[in-house]
Amino acid sequence: QVQLEQPGAEVKKPGASVKVSCKASGYNFLDYFIHWARQAPGQGLEWMGWINPKSGGTSSAQKFQGRVILTREKSMSTAYMELSGLTSNDTAVYYCARAPGYGRAYCGADCYLDFWGRGTLVTVSS
Amino acid sequence: SFVLTQPPSISVAPGQTATISCEGINIGHYDVHWYQQKPGQAPVVVVYDDSDRPSGIPERFSGSHSGNTATLTISRVDAGDGADYYCHVWHSRADQHVFGTGTKVTVL
Repeated sequence: QVQLEQPGAEVKKPGASVKVSCKASGYNFLDYFIHWARQAPGQGLEWMGWINPKSGGTSSAQKFQGRVILTREKSMSTAYMELSGLTSNDTAVYYCARAPGYGRAYCGADCYLDFWGRGTLVTVSS
Repeated sequence: SFVLTQPPSISVAPGQTATISCEGINIGHYDVHWYQQKPGQAPVVVVYDDSDRPSGIPERFSGSHSGNTATLTISRVDAGDGADYYCHVWHSRADQHVFGTGTKVTVL
C-alpha cells in the first residue's frame, strides 16, 4: 500500500535549519510529484512547494523562496524539505503529499494531492 | 496575492445538506480540489478536478464551481463528516498553489 513516511518530530533553535524527510513506498516514486505543506497550531494549511522526483525540477511559494530547498534521492525514494532561518513562526506540522504526475514535467492545473504523509511536528524554541 | 476565502464554520443537522463555499477571483477558471481533515489526522482528498471523487469517497460528496465561487456539497450528512474542509487551486498567473482558509463543519 502507498506510504509516505515522515519523522514524528524535530526541535530546533531560532536561526537554525531543519531538513524533513519523506520516504515513499508502495508506488513508483518517479511517477508522482511530492508537495510540501505546513499547518501551524490551530491554523489552516499553507502550501510550500513541490518537487518532480524524476527531473528534480521544483516550484516553491513566493513566501518561502530563498529559505526553502526541495531535493530528492531517487535511489532511496525519499524527498526532503529544508527550511532555513527558523523562527517561532515556523513552528508547525509539516506534511508531504504526492500528486499524480501524468507524465508531465510541471505540477499545475489538475494537480491535486491524492495521498498525504502523517506530518512532522517542527518546534522552534530557544 | 491570490486568496481563497471560506466561511470559518458551519453547522448542520444529521441527514441534512452541508454547503461549503470557496471564494476567489475567477475561481471558475481553475481546477478546484477539496480536502477533509479530521483532528490529529492528515488531510484526505474528497473531490478533485472540480467534481471528481476518488475511489472510496461516497457519492454524497460533490463539487461545482462558477464565476468567483466553488462549492463542496455534502448530502445526507452524518456524524463522521464532522471535520475541517479546505479548497485548493493552482493559480496559473502567480504559479502558486493555494489552499482556502478552511471551514469547520459541525454535525449537530
